[in-house]
Order: sequence, then structure tokens, then C-alpha cells
Amino acid sequence: AQKVTQAQTEISVVEKEDVTLDCVYETRDTTYYLFWYKQPPSGELVFLIRRNSFDEQNEISGRYSWNFQKSTSSFNFTITASQVVDSAVYFCAFCPPNTGNQFYFGTGTSLTVIP
Amino acid sequence: NAGVMQNPRHLVRRRGQEARLRCSPMKGHSHVYWYRQLPEEGLKFMVYLQKENIIDESGMPKERFSAEFPKEGPSILRIQQVVRGDSAAYFCASSSGQGGSYEQYFGPGTRLTVT
Repeated sequence: AQKVTQAQTEISVVEKEDVTLDCVYETRDTTYYLFWYKQPPSGELVFLIRRNSFDEQNEISGRYSWNFQKSTSSFNFTITASQVVDSAVYFCAFCPPNTGNQFYFGTGTSLTVIP
Repeated sequence: NAGVMQNPRHLVRRRGQEARLRCSPMKGHSHVYWYRQLPEEGLKFMVYLQKENIIDESGMPKERFSAEFPKEGPSILRIQQVVRGDSAAYFCASSSGQGGSYEQYFGPGTRLTVT
């Protein structure tokens, strides 16, 4: 069975601090996809990144970076120099390869950036 | 470029009434997914449809819930005889293909409140 764990329920940081959001997943599949989504207070879900299990290169996009470690089944997300607009709930999601019909979401991490 | 559209954004129903939630996928997308988000929880998969076909409904409650995606028009999630426990945010997502190599783009959600 697939499972995604986001152990951090809530995080508060002061503006300009760096923050890392953890995501750990469980699967028996050797190929799969991982995602991060942002849910700001307005409620919509915004796609941030997709990573397939073959590609363990870390990725950086502006202030965002992702660290994928297949050996530890983790896909962590770091925001550098956080800003108030980063305040949101962040969800990690897993998609298995065979059915590909559904994403398995973690319970989310609520990030508050204090000005 | 219109994104995934959902309406209504907010829906209030009394216990026993029917709720109809609509989802228009992104242009060019023929794969639609419905998820439910209970308060302070992650999203849970409900059903995956392609035009005129239900592909995977493994996450749908066995009773009172149904979904369709007709040849013409939006996808509809229908909840009959709503109960208080149905109060949640319902998100629709669409993609251009099946499987994790295709991002799912989410609509803004419909927040259902059952009184």
C-alpha cells in the first residue's frame, strides 16, 4: 500500500529564514512519481513540482529546492529566504505507475511565515 | 488559458437534500479526477473518469455518491441525501493523460456545508 507521511503538522518561521518541509513515502513500486502542491489561504491547489523515481537530481527553482533521496524514501522541500506569501499548506503526493489513476496525498504541512 | 473550473464555489445543503458539484476540465484535458478534503486533512481520491467512462471509483463511498463525465458538458459529482459528514471541500483535477507523468491540475474546489 502507498502511504505519504508529512510529520510536520505546523511550522512557523520568521521572514527570511530558510525552512524545510519533510515528506516520506512508502511503496513497493520501483517506479513512481512524487509531487508537491501548495494550498494558499484562498484554498486552491497550485502545482509546484513533479519528480519521477528515476531522476534523483535535486532541483532548484528560484527560492524553492527539492531533495529527493530514494534510499530513504524522502522528497523534502526547502524554501530559502522565506516570505510572507509563502504562508500556505503544502502537500506532498505520490503517484504509482501501474494505475496512475490517483494521487496519494500527505496530510499537509501548514507553514506560517511571520513578518 | 482557462484552468479547471468548478462551481459552485460554496454550497450549503440541508440534511437529506442532494448536492451537485460541477467540474469543467482544462481545455484539451479528457481525464478528470475528484478528491475530497476533510477539515485539516489531506486530499483523498474518490473517482477517475474519462469521457463517458468511469475508470476507477475505488475511493467513492458505496452509497449516495455518483459521478459522471458525459460526452458534452462538465463532469458532475452527485451526492444524494447529504449528511453532516459530507461537509468537506471537493476538488476536481484534470490531466491530458493517464499516469504520474502527467500533472493533475486542480480547480479551486467546492466547499460543501451540510446543515
